[in-house]
Order: sequence, then structure tokens, then C-alpha cells
Amino acid sequence: AQKVTQAQTEISVVEKEDVTLDCVYETRDTTYYLFWYKQPPSGELVFLIRRNSFDEQNEISGRYSWNFQKSTSSFNFTITASQVVDSAVYFCALRTNSGYALNFGKGTSLLVTP
Amino acid sequence: GAGVSQSPSNKVTEKGKDVELRCDPISGHTALYWYRQSLGQGLEFLIYFQGNSAPDKSGLPSDRFSAERTGGSVSTLTIQRTQQEDSAVYLCASSVGLGGTQYFGPGTRLTVL
Repeated sequence: AQKVTQAQTEISVVEKEDVTLDCVYETRDTTYYLFWYKQPPSGELVFLIRRNSFDEQNEISGRYSWNFQKSTSSFNFTITASQVVDSAVYFCALRTNSGYALNFGKGTSLLVTP
Repeated sequence: GAGVSQSPSNKVTEKGKDVELRCDPISGHTALYWYRQSLGQGLEFLIYFQGNSAPDKSGLPSDRFSAERTGGSVSTLTIQRTQQEDSAVYLCASSVGLGGTQYFGPGTRLTVL
């Protein structure tokens, strides 16, 4: 069975704070793919990053960074110096080689206030 | 280039009526997916298509739901005899082949009264 857990339902921070969104996954497959998507108030899911199970290198893109740790089955997402425009619901997702559907976590709602 | 487009953006219907939701994938993307997003269930996979292959319908919740993809491009999701529990946002995504990163459209918000 595959499962993605985003334990944080809602997070509220003040602008310029750093914030980390947690994602823990479960799968028995040895090859799998992890994703983060952002869903702003407009509703459209925006792709942020994709990671393959065989590549544990952390990734940084501007203010965004991702920490992939197979030992703890986690794929956490950090926003540095948060901005109001970062306010959105963030979803972590998992796909394995057993199929092509994405298994999504329940999402974390991030509110950044001025 | 243009992203995934969906129509209508909003649909209100009465219980028992049939509805059709349309998805236009990104040009050149051969794989197309439908998901449903509701408050209670989160984001759920419904069906996907790849080229002319038989679709994977494993996520369709009942036989009232069906989908087709004509000419390997546009897809229509049909819900027959709608029920109130069908109220949700229906999201379409496409990718360059199965296994590619999925890019999502803006969704269709369906409300069944």
C-alpha cells in the first residue's frame, strides 16, 4: 500500500519567517517518485518539484528547498524568508512504478501574514 | 505555451441529471488524468489515458462515472444521475507520456443540488 502523510493541517507564520512543511510516505516499492504541488487560492495545482527514489540529493530553488531522506521516508519542504504570496495549500504526492496515478497527502495550508 | 484547460469552470446541476466535463491537455502530451478533490476525501485519482491504449479506470467510484478521450487529445468525463456526494472539484492533468510530471488544469467545480 502507498500512503502520504502531511501531519500539519495548518501553519501560520509571519512574513520573513522560515517554515518547513513535513511529508512522510509509505511504499514497498524500491522505485518511486515524490512531488510537491502548490494550490493557491485560485485553485490550480502548480507543480513545484519531482524527486526520484534513487536520487537523495537535496534541492534548492530560490527560497525553496527540499530535504529527501529515504532512511526516515520523508520529503520535507522548506520556504526561507516566507512571503505573503506563499500562502497556499501545499500537497506532497507519491507515485510508484505500480501505476501512474499520484497519491496525494491531505495537504498543509500555509498562511503567511504581513 | 498553453496549459491544461477545462470547461466549464463551474457547473451547478440538480440531483439526477447527467453532466459532462471537458479537458483539453497540453499540446503534445499523450497522457491525460482525471482527479477529484473534495473536502472529505482530499485528492483522489479517477482515471487515466495514454495514447490509444485502454484507460486505467481503477479509480472511478461507481459505474455512473465514465470518461472518453477522442483523437488522443480532448477528454470528457461524464457523470450520470448525479448525486450530492458527487459535488467536488474535478481536476484534469496531462503529462508527456505516462510517468511524466503531471501538469494540472484549473478544475471544474461541480455542485449538485
